Amino acid sequence: DARVTQTPRHKVTEMGQEVTMRCQPILGHNTVFWYRQTMMQGLELLAYFRNRAPLDDSGMPKDRFSAEMPDATLATLKIQPSEPRDSAVYFCASGLGTSGGNSGANVLTFGAGSRLTVL
Amino acid sequence: GQNIDQPTEMTATEGAIVQINCTYQTSGFNGLFWYQQHAGEAPTFLSYNVLDGLEEKGRFSSFLSRSKGYSYLLLKELQMKDSASYLCAVNGTASKLTFGTGTRLQVTL
Repeated sequence: DARVTQTPRHKVTEMGQEVTMRCQPILGHNTVFWYRQTMMQGLELLAYFRNRAPLDDSGMPKDRFSAEMPDATLATLKIQPSEPRDSAVYFCASGLGTSGGNSGANVLTFGAGSRLTVL
Repeated sequence: GQNIDQPTEMTATEGAIVQINCTYQTSGFNGLFWYQQHAGEAPTFLSYNVLDGLEEKGRFSSFLSRSKGYSYLLLKELQMKDSASYLCAVNGTASKLTFGTGTRLQVTL
């Protein structure tokens, strides 16, 4: 049963600390998305990659957030320094996106999420 | 940009039918998706539409009108386990998937 693996599942940290969240996408999936979910905003797209190349990170506060894919099996989302307003659940999702925009291939599988609390 | 609207909450009775609407305005369109999310869990895929019309999958159906920028998710024979949030998402250019804020459905006895 293929799944997207996220670590850590829970993280409590103090304001100003660095936080790194990791994601292992499903083998063979070539798109990886990072979303942030809060009660007020719902699922916000932070950044996404296709074939490890960043396509759009306009939803991400660039001064403190960074997203990378060092290889096809690992995506990372880093916050430095963290702030209380960053408290949320961060989801990674992967899919078989194609450049032709074939919707059927763009079904995303989500990881279980990383719940971040910044005090 | 993308603008996706859904009702915030709905309540329906077990065994009934409920329709959850979604309207969207997008700069690019390559399909509309519906996801289900139970409290404390990750979203899971339900259905997608890329052409106008109705797609049926068991108790769940989804409809799309591209000219109206409108979709709905229809849930039949509601069960208590259908209590969840239902997220409408638009697949834009370059496989970018943008979600609405979701509709929280409460199924009651």
